[in-house]
Amino acid sequence: GDSVTQMEGPVTLSEEAFLTINCTYTATGYPSLFWYVQYPGEGLQLLLKATKADDKGSNKGFEATYRKETTSFHLEKGSVQVSDSAVYFCALSKINKFYFGSGTKLNVKP
Amino acid sequence: GAGVSQSPSNKVTEKGKDVELRCDPISGHTALYWYRQSLGQGLEFLIYFQGNSAPDKSGLPSDRFSAERTGGSVSTLTIQRTQQEDSAVYLCASSLGLGGYGANVLTFGAGSRLTVL
Repeated sequence: GDSVTQMEGPVTLSEEAFLTINCTYTATGYPSLFWYVQYPGEGLQLLLKATKADDKGSNKGFEATYRKETTSFHLEKGSVQVSDSAVYFCALSKINKFYFGSGTKLNVKP
Repeated sequence: GAGVSQSPSNKVTEKGKDVELRCDPISGHTALYWYRQSLGQGLEFLIYFQGNSAPDKSGLPSDRFSAERTGGSVSTLTIQRTQQEDSAVYLCASSLGLGGYGANVLTFGAGSRLTVL
């Protein structure tokens, strides 16, 4: 069945470090892909999305490219800030169904 | 409304009591979802509504859990005879419910934190 796998956390980085959080998916057809972020004590917010192969989603300095050949949607940011500390969820959507990864906690230290 | 509204934001109850959690989705959103997030865990899918119908109830953990949606808007998740393992944050989300392969985007509420003593 359709599913999403993302890297285990927590990920701990120093401020201004480069971030990669890996996400791979299994799905038939043409899913849309998403990254959601959950800041401490808050609900999930959409961070970015991509709807077809080779699309790049971007927001707040974060980027992810929809790679159909490797079934991946890795999240990257060139220089993280303390305020980026949160839990990041990779997700796919297909015909009104959503599948979420288990979440990756990011801790950014000053 | 402007966002997805959930109530109560916090609920503490005693084991064996029934609880109702409410979700008011974004106006015009036909699809509504309930998820459960236990402490430090990912999202567990519970149920999905398209309009007032629930095409997918596969995630409801037991027959103590039920949900309904009326008028294609507000939804209520009911947990009967609560158990301590029901303690979690219950998240509601809504989307336009475009169907097909359109890029539906889920908008989440802030959640209802349930604590069963």
